[in-house]
Amino acid sequence: DAMVIQNPRYQVTQFGKPVTLSCSQTLNHNVMYWYQQKSSQAPKLLFHYYDKDFNNEADTPDNFQSRRPNTSFCFLDIRSPGLGDAAMYLCATSNEGRRPFEQYFGPGTRLTVT
Amino acid sequence: SQKIEQNSEALNIQEGKTATLTCNYTNYSPAYLQWYRQDPGRGPVFLLLIRENEKEKRKERLKVTFDTTLKQSLFHITASQPADSATYLCALPPTGNNRLAFGKGNQVVVIP
Repeated sequence: DAMVIQNPRYQVTQFGKPVTLSCSQTLNHNVMYWYQQKSSQAPKLLFHYYDKDFNNEADTPDNFQSRRPNTSFCFLDIRSPGLGDAAMYLCATSNEGRRPFEQYFGPGTRLTVT
Repeated sequence: SQKIEQNSEALNIQEGKTATLTCNYTNYSPAYLQWYRQDPGRGPVFLLLIRENEKEKRKERLKVTFDTTLKQSLFHITASQPADSATYLCALPPTGNNRLAFGKGNQVVVIP
């Protein structure tokens, strides 16, 4: 089945230690998104790629970076995690060829910062 | 400022009854609105999309309405089942392409 895969499902990192979360998709969608979701809150869009074009949200901290080396993979790098960065990180995709775009989410990576 | 509001209190409902959730928005002019289901510890799953020129949309036991005058969408689950217990999020496009803004979601608990 075509899907969005996130690894790892659970990640523990130390305060200030860089961490990378990964996302891959077999849907061949051209748009990929990263969201941060804290408990009982709305998913908050951090940034998205439209093909290779990177689109940052205005309020996304510089501490968060992303890479998309090819259509299938996208990475979220947190350069110096703080305690406030503990959250669920959700990767999603959409197909710009189908308007309007529903989004397909991965299962998420739960990040703990110690 | 732009807001999407969903009831923060969980909706507890008896099995077989209809659950109704509300999504209100401020300072958006969405061409469409989407509803997603999210189970604990999982990513949201798309359920339904309704466009601004559609009053109502149905999918199996789900029904969505969209009132652009009231700036409100209602989400109904008819003949609710315990398996419907989850958090339901509404989402709509802010300005700019490809993006969605999500509400916090409204938890539904269906009691057998």
